[in-house]
Amino acid sequence: EAQVTQNPRYLITVTGKKLTVTCSQNMNHEYMSWYRQDPGLGLRQIYYSMNVEVTDKGDVPEGYKVSRKEKRNFPLILESPSPNQTSLYFCASSSSPWGGGVKDTQYFGPGTRLTVL
Amino acid sequence: KNQVEQSPQSLIILEGKNCTLQCNYTVSPFSNLRWYKQDTGRGPVSLTIMTFSENTKSNGRYTATLDADTKQSSLHITASQLSDSASYICVVSVSSNDYKLSFGAGTTVTVRA
Repeated sequence: EAQVTQNPRYLITVTGKKLTVTCSQNMNHEYMSWYRQDPGLGLRQIYYSMNVEVTDKGDVPEGYKVSRKEKRNFPLILESPSPNQTSLYFCASSSSPWGGGVKDTQYFGPGTRLTVL
Repeated sequence: KNQVEQSPQSLIILEGKNCTLQCNYTVSPFSNLRWYKQDTGRGPVSLTIMTFSENTKSNGRYTATLDADTKQSSLHITASQLSDSASYICVVSVSSNDYKLSFGAGTTVTVRA
């Protein structure tokens, strides 16, 4: 079954404690993205990757890091989380850039709800 | 700045009734427009994809329309079911090498028995 998995699904942490959210896809997609979703704001892209070892900033990259050492994995790292990073996070993958190609779409993971106290 | 605005923000309908969601965009140049359905606690799932030349696309009880001249799209849900309760997100792709996406904030639909 084609899928994008994220772990953990729920996380409560404290300010400044480093954390990593993992993301893995089994569709051999080149393009992967991280989004955050906040009420009334819609999905906003944090970072994206076009292939192994190729990553770039999205619209809201401050406070986040990513790495792409393997094609299937794209972890999101918060080195020093702050309360304003409390949000719902989604990882997505696609075969064309962000699934924007006419015959393509993005496949989203189930989401990770992060609370930073 | 490319923007996608959806209305209403939320709506409640009775099971079996129809409803229509609106999406207005200022994205340019336009490549395609998608509607996603997001169930509570889950990631968005694509419902329809429409290019500039398409003005209607159906997926079961979901019908999307597109007017590229006025930059408006709508999603019509026919004979709503309880399982239609979800957030519906309009996403517009820019016609460029990187297919940059612009997301609407979504419309939350609640279907009541």
